[in-house]
Amino acid sequence: ILNVEQSPQSLHVQEGDSTNFTCSFPSSNFYALHWYRWETAKSPEALFVMTLNGDEKKKGRISATLNTKEGYSYLYIKGSQPEDSATYLCASTNRDDKIIFGKGTRLHILP
Amino acid sequence: NAGVTQTPKFQVLKTGQSMTLQCAQDMNHEYMSWYRQDPGMGLRLIHYSVGAGITDQGEVPNGYNVSRSTTEDFPLRLLSAAPSQTSVYFCASSRAGTGNSPLHFGNGTRLTVT
Repeated sequence: ILNVEQSPQSLHVQEGDSTNFTCSFPSSNFYALHWYRWETAKSPEALFVMTLNGDEKKKGRISATLNTKEGYSYLYIKGSQPEDSATYLCASTNRDDKIIFGKGTRLHILP
Repeated sequence: NAGVTQTPKFQVLKTGQSMTLQCAQDMNHEYMSWYRQDPGMGLRLIHYSVGAGITDQGEVPNGYNVSRSTTEDFPLRLLSAAPSQTSVYFCASSRAGTGNSPLHFGNGTRLTVT
């Protein structure tokens, strides 16, 4: 079973500031890396799925990069807004179809 | 757009009772999975299925059974509930296996075992 680690566990960011956090995963037999946004009392929603080394994806103010050789991905949020407060989950999979999640980074945006 | 539908939303069981958590999707997704969410533990994979008739174990399968007789449905069975199974359960589906399609989640079932 994959070991997917996320850091930091929790993060407080002033509104308007930019921030980033990390997901690390085993690089051997890597196939795909997922990022999800999870608001309190809701269900996780997919942000990105990435498979290629060096891949970079963007959705509005949120972007993600992927390094499959060293086994990490960064999620960036530019100009944080109160609605960005959520838990951000990453998940990794090799070719065995098991999608394994990290424990998440809980982001709090301070007004 | 129903997406992934889980029932019930809440359930209280006594130790030793059995029950089935229902999950249905209307997106013709081949891949379906069950996760449990516990404080500080994130989402842990219980069982998954890459298509009708095929199921496999995830990270924490003990105490749970699944079956996949149709593409649409993926029920999770607790044969003899234990307090350690108190959790929030999420069903998720995606277009294909191999993990390169995003998961679509249901709204969750909150289970308490006393």
